[in-house]
Amino acid sequence: QVQLQESGPGLVKPSQTLSLTCTVSGGSISSGGYYWSWIRQHPGKGLEWIGYIYYSGSTYYNPSLKSRVTISVDTSKNQFSLKLSSVTAADTAVYYCAREPALGGRAFDIWGQGTMVTVSS
Amino acid sequence: DIQMTQSPSSLSASVGDRVTITCRASQGISNYLAWYQQKPGKVPKLLIYAASTLQSGVPSRFSGSGSGTDFTLTISSLQPEDVATYYCQKYNSARTFGQGTKLEIK
Repeated sequence: QVQLQESGPGLVKPSQTLSLTCTVSGGSISSGGYYWSWIRQHPGKGLEWIGYIYYSGSTYYNPSLKSRVTISVDTSKNQFSLKLSSVTAADTAVYYCAREPALGGRAFDIWGQGTMVTVSS
Repeated sequence: DIQMTQSPSSLSASVGDRVTITCRASQGISNYLAWYQQKPGKVPKLLIYAASTLQSGVPSRFSGSGSGTDFTLTISSLQPEDVATYYCQKYNSARTFGQGTKLEIK
């Protein structure tokens, strides 16, 4: 079955760019049919959708983060990535990647385990 | 932006109770509504999508209803393993989650 795994630095300095990668196994991003999202959860708080990418490269970002977010896809590696620029302590969170079927309205049906990112000097 | 508001923010109920959680959208979202369960320290799990369709493998005591702006998640007979925080989420246009409802056993 399809599995997602986040990877990247657990500590980022303020004002720098947070970079994470999600590796998809058990299925191919390039086969289409799914949106690939990033979602975050601040410590002890709720869930915040960051944005998604389709295998073609088309993206849709949360308007509140759009100015700082870039999501990209590398179909040759079966990965998609998140870059969040100019980070502050408010970007400290667990970051999840997740899959959403593009048709049939099935929401986020598969999630990665999440990776904690702390923004601190 | 469409806001999603859940109520209550927390609740305590006894094993065997019928539990209802409400989610309201600030504008109509048809049935583009999902419910997730997140147990402490765990990854969110999809319970229901399209407002009322049970995700495969989810116990039948969970059910969802609603359309437009008002939605409910119902647990017909609360079990100890249902202790968790529950989130609603809309998935038309920008994806947005509700603030969560923390469910505890009395």
